[in-house]
Amino acid sequence: ETGVTQSPTHLIKTRGQQVTLRCSSQSGHNTVSWYQQALGQGPQFIFQYYREEENGRGNFPPRFSGLQFPNYSSELNVNALELDDSALYLCASSFEPRDSPLHFGNGTRLTVT
Amino acid sequence: GQNIDQPTEMTATEGAIVQINCTYQTSGFNGLFWYQQHAGEAPTFLSYNVLDGLEEKGRFSSFLSRSKGYSYLLLKELQMKDSASYLCAVTTNAGKSTFGDGTTLTVKP
Repeated sequence: ETGVTQSPTHLIKTRGQQVTLRCSSQSGHNTVSWYQQALGQGPQFIFQYYREEENGRGNFPPRFSGLQFPNYSSELNVNALELDDSALYLCASSFEPRDSPLHFGNGTRLTVT
Repeated sequence: GQNIDQPTEMTATEGAIVQINCTYQTSGFNGLFWYQQHAGEAPTFLSYNVLDGLEEKGRFSSFLSRSKGYSYLLLKELQMKDSASYLCAVTTNAGKSTFGDGTTLTVKP
């Protein structure tokens, strides 16, 4: 059973640039959720995709967008990067949106300078 | 909106028992998860409560009271490897999971 994989592991971008983060969900999972985690804080919910449709969104501006593909992998896109976007971005997959535990990837560490 | 509170830090001795509390206020509550996160690693699933009562899994137990908006995670026979952050996460009927900021547990010899 292949777990959740994220790429890249680390990324350095300049303010104003755009970034795409990728996530492959665990085999058999149809739901992907994205989280932003700042140092010393819990993961903050960005959005969730279920069967290729957005299934909920947290308090993040529209410059945070995403996609889920037919194989249930997913992308997180962030436009017009700001310094405060520097964080660990976690992708988590699950069997379904609500009652299944989240299986997290190891995250992408994004640094915006 | 949703609000989740947990203590920031706790310290306990190897072999002891520790209880980590979590209180929450949320609309459309569905269930509550506990995750463990070691420094520099991703969170991993520990337990899930959807009904009131105690769920036991080996050295770890979790309790939920829906009417009081309260949960706790109980860790028995503490080991050094249990030093980690413990995250309480509330899920809503819409499927959204909201995490607390975590409790950093330090286990001392």
